[in-house]
Parts: sequence; structure tokens; C-alpha cells
Amino acid sequence: DAGVTQSPTHLIKTRGQHVTLRCSPISGHKSVSWYQQVLGQGPQFIFQYYEKEERGRGNFPDRFSARQFPNYSSELNVNALLLGDSALYLCASSTILRDRVGGQPQHFGDGTRLSIL
Amino acid sequence: ELKVEQNPLFLSMQEGKNYTIYCNYSTTSDRLYWYRQDPGKSLESLFVLLSNGAVKQEGRLMASLDTKARLSTLHITAAVHDLSATYFCAVDGETSGSRLTFGEGTQLTVNP
Repeated sequence: DAGVTQSPTHLIKTRGQHVTLRCSPISGHKSVSWYQQVLGQGPQFIFQYYEKEERGRGNFPDRFSARQFPNYSSELNVNALLLGDSALYLCASSTILRDRVGGQPQHFGDGTRLSIL
Repeated sequence: ELKVEQNPLFLSMQEGKNYTIYCNYSTTSDRLYWYRQDPGKSLESLFVLLSNGAVKQEGRLMASLDTKARLSTLHITAAVHDLSATYFCAVDGETSGSRLTFGEGTQLTVNP
């Protein structure tokens, strides 16, 4: 079975531009979350979407936005790019909104490495 | 605000030795995850710990959870080079959705 797929794998942008990152969850997974991982640090939560609705937002500026489509794929948009937005952006999917009893971990894609010049 | 701290951040050890990575977190949670990340790669799920006293083992790795102490440990037994990677613990402190708060990671290097 295909895992979480993200595109593109690498991207180079300049300051002030905008970017759209894409994520396709594992088949049957309805929850998609986005994380930002700056080099040398742990991932930081950006958004969670479930059934096309935003269910959680991390401490990121309004330049960051996302959406989830009827097929549960998702896009992360970042406007007015800053140098500090350079990072690995990870998408994770899971079957349910919240893992209550089953201990289902989120499954991560390989990420999009975004470099801002 | 939920905080997750790991130590050590860097660990260099010889093959065959044992060592423990510690993960402390600041608020009540009953969901703790351990992930492995190889350089330039994504996160691989290792363990899911759901309750106080939970212990899980896979190969040379064993993870445990003490919710009262807000502490999880990842114990490495008889390390081999293939275990070289960065290990993250993550806590899900949400009550409605799911939001993982990660530690800084422990970069493990196993030397021959």
C-alpha cells in the first residue's frame, strides 16, 4: 500500500514569494496534519484537518494556511516567504481525529524540503 | 503549554553497549510516541505508549512510560551501528484533536 506522499520533494523560493505544498494521505485516512521541521530540531505542529475541517492550529502566523479536499488530500500554503521558513515540511495522516484507544500513530510522508534564498 | 525535553541530545556509544534516552514532559498526557529519523528521511514510528507502566520492546529497543513521573525512557541494548539515527519522543496533549509535541531529538551514533 502506498504511504503518505508529498510533492514536491524539494523546492527553492525567494523571499516574498508564496508556495503550495501537497499531501496525499494513506488510503482510508481522513486526518491530515502538517508539521514544520527546522534543521536540528523536532517537528512543530502547524495544522490538523479532519473531514475537510480545520481541527487544530499551531503557533504559526496567518501567512500559513491549509485546506483539505473531498478526497482527503491536503495543501499547505505559505505566503510572503521569509528566510526562517526554510525547513522540512512534513505531512502526517491517520485514520481518525484522535487516537482514543487504539494507539494509532500518525504516519509521516517523506516531506518537502523548502529552501528560501 | 506542553513542553517535551529529551536527554541527552547527543549520544555516541560503542557497539555492544547499553544506554537509555530520557523523555520528560510537562503536562498530563496518556499518549507518548517514539519515532526514528535517519538523515534526510522522514519519521518512522517505533512505539506507541498509552498507559502508565506500559512497556514495549522491538529488537534491541525497549520503551517504557511512567505517567505519574511524566517520563518515558528508550533503552538500547547491545547497540549496533544500524541503530545510528535521531530518536524523537512526542506527546499528544490534545483532548479533542491530535497534536504531537516533539522533543528536540537525541542524535545517536553507534561506533564500531
